[in-house]
Amino acid sequence: EAQVTQNPRYLITVTGKKLTVTCSQNMNHEYMSWYRQDPGLGLRQIYYSMNVEVTDKGDVPEGYKVSRKEKRNFPLILESPSPNQTSLYFCASSWGTGWGYEQYFGPGTRLTVT
Amino acid sequence: ELKVEQNPLFLSMQEGKNYTIYCNYSTTSDRLYWYRQDPGKSLESLFVLLSNGAVKQEGRLMASLDTKARLSTLHITAAVHDLSATYFCAVVPNYGGSQGNLIFGKGTKLSVKP
Repeated sequence: EAQVTQNPRYLITVTGKKLTVTCSQNMNHEYMSWYRQDPGLGLRQIYYSMNVEVTDKGDVPEGYKVSRKEKRNFPLILESPSPNQTSLYFCASSWGTGWGYEQYFGPGTRLTVT
Repeated sequence: ELKVEQNPLFLSMQEGKNYTIYCNYSTTSDRLYWYRQDPGKSLESLFVLLSNGAVKQEGRLMASLDTKARLSTLHITAAVHDLSATYFCAVVPNYGGSQGNLIFGKGTKLSVKP
């Protein structure tokens, strides 16, 4: 089954404790992206990757890191989480952003930083 | 910087009625996406619109794109309760180096009542 998986689905952590949220897709997609969703703000793009070893900042990259060493995986790293990073995070993948390619979204990771 | 505005942000409709959700964006783009999100769920792709005048329909939903007016509409025909969800539009700006940058509107929360 074609899917995007994220782990963990729920995470409560403390300020400053490094964490990684994993994202994996099994569709051989070239494009992957991370978003955060906050009430009243919609979705905002954190980072995206057009292909292996190619990553770029979205609109809200501060406090986050990503890497794309393999096509299927695109982990999101919070080196020193802060309470303002409490949010619902979505990973997505597609063949690209043109030519009618739709994005497939993961189930989401709800992160709480205390 | 590209801004995406959706109107209305909240919409309460009666079953059987028609209504339109509007998505305006501030700079040139020829790639626009519509997504649906049910409460507590991830996002589901509805439509990808790639050119001026593009129109796509699926069931009671029809989306169109006017790139000259920088406007997309999502028209709902004879609404039913199952269409209750939050609808997002998202745009990829045309300016260079931003091929993967996806900007979302804040979403329109639709509630269809009997």
